[in-house]
Amino acid sequence: DAKTTQPTSMDCAEGRAANLPCNHSTISGNEYVYWYRQIHSQGPQYIIHGLKNNETNEMASLIITEDRKSSTLILPHATLRDTAVYYCIVRVAQAGGTSYGKLTFGQGTILTVHP
Amino acid sequence: DAGVIQSPRHEVTEMGQEVTLRCKPISGHNSLFWYRQTMMRGLELLIYFNNNVPIDDSGMPEDRFSAKMPNASFSTLKIQPSEPRDSAVYFCASSFTGSGQPQHFGDGTRLSIL
Repeated sequence: DAKTTQPTSMDCAEGRAANLPCNHSTISGNEYVYWYRQIHSQGPQYIIHGLKNNETNEMASLIITEDRKSSTLILPHATLRDTAVYYCIVRVAQAGGTSYGKLTFGQGTILTVHP
Repeated sequence: DAGVIQSPRHEVTEMGQEVTLRCKPISGHNSLFWYRQTMMRGLELLIYFNNNVPIDDSGMPEDRFSAKMPNASFSTLKIQPSEPRDSAVYFCASSFTGSGQPQHFGDGTRLSIL
């Protein structure tokens, strides 16, 4: 699976949009981009994923560049409860064999939302 | 809907004792994953089951660790004998098998081996 690079930490004011970048320059054509977050003492929480097109759900938006070498997770109106470690993960799309969709977590970005 | 359920939430035991962690995946999911999280190594995959069959156990640290999935709604991770270096948070996750299906995690078991 391709390696990802994220900033170690970011700050965001409550109510403002939080834009979390991720570089995945070695991504392959059959690999999805996934975002998870982990709030202290809880399990990782799935946020969103995408392959080529931009995606939006009730939690966030995912913007993937046309060359797919980077992406941005957008939390449109950050709240104090969004303070967490955010993980960007690239994962092969096809199930089966050893490429079964294994998630490899890096160090992530510590997002701190302040009042 | 119920998410992935893990038990116990916390376990404190003495070195040498057997430890059994339990996981109930989301109903209908046919893939199950066990992860371990430590400060030093972060989140790492231990073992993956598909349709109750172990597919990849390359992340299991040593023979003291074993995992079973006797049916689609239950899995165990056992450590025997336990050692202090096994202290960590252990997470279970489940998903549908299929292109792009996300994994959903439980809240973990915090294990302390004294």
